[in-house]
Amino acid sequence: TQLLEQSPQFLSIQEGENLTVYCNSSSVFSSLQWYRQEPGEGPVLLVTVVTGGEVKKLKRLTFQFGDARKDSSLHITAAQPGDTGLYLCAGTFPDSNYQLIWGAGTKLIIKP
Amino acid sequence: DTGVSQNPRHKITKRGQNVTFRCDPISEHNRLYWYRQTLGQGPEFLTYFQNEAQLEKSRLLSDRFSAERPKGSFSTLEIQRTEQGDSAMYLCASSLGGVMNTEAFFGQGTRLTVV
Repeated sequence: TQLLEQSPQFLSIQEGENLTVYCNSSSVFSSLQWYRQEPGEGPVLLVTVVTGGEVKKLKRLTFQFGDARKDSSLHITAAQPGDTGLYLCAGTFPDSNYQLIWGAGTKLIIKP
Repeated sequence: DTGVSQNPRHKITKRGQNVTFRCDPISEHNRLYWYRQTLGQGPEFLTYFQNEAQLEKSRLLSDRFSAERPKGSFSTLEIQRTEQGDSAMYLCASSLGGVMNTEAFFGQGTRLTVV
């Protein structure tokens, strides 16, 4: 059984600060996705990573996939209040019929 | 709008009543997922369909829950004899499936409140 652990569970920082959140598994991912969810809405896909060591950038967000494809990080530079939300990672594994397995999320609050 | 559509957005029901939610996926997506989410938590998998076939159902899912996708397009999720513990956001997502196409696109969800 694959489990995804996200850390921290909760993070509250001031506008302008940098932050990193993590997603880890004991199994090798086939692919990993990061989503952002605002209250009362469904999750919205931010990025998909597939290749070990892969780095993708989306404006102030930098996503990194570990070389062993067991972990990933999301780094936000100069956080803004609009970044507030629940950040979820979801992965697929070869023996899960490529069904998405979800982490519990990191709740991020950026204070102005 | 060609995104995932869910109806209703909100539902308030009395305990013991039955409720049914509808999900219209992105038209070319063959996979459809139902999730339940409580405040501050990630989505909890309920079930998923590949076309019209229900391929997996969570072992945590009570037999009061049933889902259908009769023509491989829209899907319904029914909860019978609702309980207060069923109060949650019910999310539907669709994807193309396969190794490289598992990106899930979500609807806005149906928020259920059982009173």
